[in-house]
Amino acid sequence: GENVEQHPSTLSVQEGDSAVIKCTYSDSASNYFPWYKQELGKGPQLIIDIRSNVGEKKDQRIAVTLNKTAKHFSLHITETQPEDSAVYFCAASRGGYQKVTFGTGTKLQVIP
Amino acid sequence: EAEVAQSPRYKITEKSQAVAFWCDPISGHATLYWYRQILGQGPELLVQFQDESVVDDSQLPKDRFSAERLKGVDSTLKIQPAELGDSAMYLCASSFAGDAGELFFGEGSRLTVL
Repeated sequence: GENVEQHPSTLSVQEGDSAVIKCTYSDSASNYFPWYKQELGKGPQLIIDIRSNVGEKKDQRIAVTLNKTAKHFSLHITETQPEDSAVYFCAASRGGYQKVTFGTGTKLQVIP
Repeated sequence: EAEVAQSPRYKITEKSQAVAFWCDPISGHATLYWYRQILGQGPELLVQFQDESVVDDSQLPKDRFSAERLKGVDSTLKIQPAELGDSAMYLCASSFAGDAGELFFGEGSRLTVL
């Protein structure tokens, strides 16, 4: 089955700096890569996703890049703010009704 | 805004007891998922339903866990008997069609087994 590895497990940045989280996946048939943000005591919430037919997608301060050849994808957050502090999960899926496999998570702390 | 409802939010039980969790997905969402999240780890899929049918339960420990979605709407996840290693957050999620789209998660049910 699919295996998703995520790094780093913790990340501290100063407010205004950029944060980068990296993930690798094992199943070359995966074609859908979402990113979820989980705040304390809440369920994960989708923040951005990318499909295999594009290499990059951006939404305001958040961007995701995908390298299918190397089987890795990354989340970039620019101009970080304290409210960005949370746990971020990457995930991968083959699409259709195939299950979504999550990474182990990155705890991001933005220091004011 | 429509939300996925879960209950109870917190459950403390002793090992060997039975426990049940309930989930009501967003109206109109055909696909329902139960995930288990151990502290410090990512969510792990236990079971996935399409309407009332099980699509994937390959990671569900069937000797003690069961899940049902009888009318294709709300769902119940049961553990009997509970073991110490079952302590975790049990997350329910739903999606409109299950076709690799956004999963909408509930706030979860935190289980502590003593």
